[in-house]
Amino acid sequence: NAGVTQTPKFQVLKTGQSMTLQCAQDMNHEYMSWYRQDPGMGLRLIHYSVGAGITDQGEVPNGYNVSRSTTEDFPLRLLSAAPSQTSVYFCASSYRGEGDTQYFGPGTRLTVL
Amino acid sequence: QQPVQSPQAVILREGEDAVINCSSSKALYSVHWYRQKHGEAPVFLMILLKGGEQKGHDKISASFNEKKQQSSLYLTASQLSYSGTYFCGTDRPYSGAGSYQLTFGKGTKLSVIP
Repeated sequence: NAGVTQTPKFQVLKTGQSMTLQCAQDMNHEYMSWYRQDPGMGLRLIHYSVGAGITDQGEVPNGYNVSRSTTEDFPLRLLSAAPSQTSVYFCASSYRGEGDTQYFGPGTRLTVL
Repeated sequence: QQPVQSPQAVILREGEDAVINCSSSKALYSVHWYRQKHGEAPVFLMILLKGGEQKGHDKISASFNEKKQQSSLYLTASQLSYSGTYFCGTDRPYSGAGSYQLTFGKGTKLSVIP
């Protein structure tokens, strides 16, 4: 099993550009989520999904879109990048959700200039 | 709403013990503990479930006080490898499809020195 994979590992964008962060898991997990991590702020939930076709907002969803067309993939789209979105982004998955171990991907370090 | 962790940082010498606390203002279903080393992804340590079930780590223990909505992580006889930032994550009682959210605290930075 590859576990949770994320691409790219690093990305630099200019303000206003759009891009998609990719996340995939091969563990047949129903629950997937995206977090951003900023210094001193911990991990903040952006969006999550409890299964294919079902997504919902977390704490900090503004400026981000998600979709879940398959169980394996959960891409995160930045519609119009802003410097405030400079962060490290982690994707995570778990079998069910509540009470289950979250497996984190290696992260994507994004810089918006 | 993020759970509150304390202390924010702690420095230990090898062999010393530490306690990291996590508290929430809302009723909880479970508490998760993760450790993150610099430049790496968070790694699972332990889950404590409402009702007392615990899934986790051999050398690290934790408690979960459901009434007080608090959890504590106990690190005994610390080793250099324990260094990192520890996060607690809390969730609400499940109330239907699409409602599950795992919310993390801001972290506790633990440094173990020789």
